[in-house]
Amino acid sequence: GENVEQHPSTLSVQEGDSAVIKCTYSDSASNYFPWYKQELGKGPQLIIDIRSNVGEKKDQRIAVTLNKTAKHFSLHITETQPEDSAVYFCAASKVTGGGNKLTFGTGTQLKVEL
Amino acid sequence: DAGITQSPRHKVTETGTPVTLRCHQTENHRYMYWYRQDPGHGLRLIHYSYGVKDTDKGEVSDGYSVSRSKTEDFLLTLESATSSQTSVYFCAISDHVDTDTQYFGPGTRLTVL
Repeated sequence: GENVEQHPSTLSVQEGDSAVIKCTYSDSASNYFPWYKQELGKGPQLIIDIRSNVGEKKDQRIAVTLNKTAKHFSLHITETQPEDSAVYFCAASKVTGGGNKLTFGTGTQLKVEL
Repeated sequence: DAGITQSPRHKVTETGTPVTLRCHQTENHRYMYWYRQDPGHGLRLIHYSYGVKDTDKGEVSDGYSVSRSKTEDFLLTLESATSSQTSVYFCAISDHVDTDTQYFGPGTRLTVL
């Protein structure tokens, strides 16, 4: 089955700096790569996703890049703000007509310091 | 926020007792999923459903069963709870029509003593 590794496990940045979180996956058939943000006591919330036919996607301060050859994808957050502090999870799956079984990384605790 | 509720939100039970967690959606999405979240493991898929009465196993299905008799409800049952099933359980839904996004519920914190 799919295996997703995520680094780093904790990340501390100064407000206004950029943050980068990296993930690798094992199954070359995976074609969908979402990123989720989880605040304390809440369920994960999708912040951005990318399909395997796209190399990069951007949404305001957040961007995701995908390297299919190397089987890794990264989340980039620019101009970080205190409200970006949360746990971030990457995930990978092979979307089929039978659903979307996500395999998650182990999470990155991001702390944005003033 | 997607219309997903989970009940109960917190539960403490004893080893060997049966436990049922409920996920209810108001979005009429076809697909529903149960995950568990544990420190150091991220979220792991337990079971999922691709329609009423249609379910399949996920990565960590041992000790769990599910049922879906209506589009809006997906039940997760621990037939005989064990301490290793102490976890936070999340339900998710998706339609896979316009998007593959999974929307997560608020979670249920289960403690098995």
